[in-house]
Amino acid sequence: EVQLVESGGGLVQPGRSLRLSCAASGFNFYNYAMHWVRQSPGKGPEWVSIITWDSGTVDYADSVKGRFTISRDNAKNALYLQMNRLRPEDTAFYYCAKDLRVGAITYAFDIWGQGAMVTVSS
Amino acid sequence: SYVVTQPPSVSVAPGKTATITCGGNNIGRKSVHWYQQKPGQAPVLLIYYDSDRPAGTPERFSGSNSGDTATLTISRVEAGDEADYYCQVWDSSNSHRVFGGGTKLTVL
Repeated sequence: EVQLVESGGGLVQPGRSLRLSCAASGFNFYNYAMHWVRQSPGKGPEWVSIITWDSGTVDYADSVKGRFTISRDNAKNALYLQMNRLRPEDTAFYYCAKDLRVGAITYAFDIWGQGAMVTVSS
Repeated sequence: SYVVTQPPSVSVAPGKTATITCGGNNIGRKSVHWYQQKPGQAPVLLIYYDSDRPAGTPERFSGSNSGDTATLTISRVEAGDEADYYCQVWDSSNSHRVFGGGTKLTVL
């Protein structure tokens, strides 16, 4: 079964850091670009970051650029999101998501995890 | 940044056709994906590249994209189609990567 499972969410104070992890299984993880997408309660999704299959290209939404870092470990089938200098507006469910096609960037997310809730509050 | 507009809600009777629009400047020149999200669940990819269906998406769901409007059409609507629907726009030439605000589909 193709599956993504996020972990590492929680309550954190503004200005602090948090690291999310995403464990992938059931597909050749090393062949696909991966993304982080977040969704605040009652709002639409917001794309956060992308990393290509070989980690050769990463990119970020302007709202997180300079504060968040995406990375992956293909040997461990794992995706990460290091979030620094967190703000209250970063409060959201964070989903890892698989890009649709092998070796390509489509921004079509065909597999999503169940999400990890991050709450930034004092 | 690129702005995408969806109607907040659409209502339709069972068995009828629902049309959900996604508006944006020259959206017809961009790639549009559509997602369905039910309460408490992650979004599910319904349509990609304007009109292609992933395996598992019923043929009742179709998409089109032209001019300033992309459209998701749901034929023979069922009670189980009640959900939030989001369009997502991607333009590789200028890195537009944005979701619409979502449309809540109510089956009467």
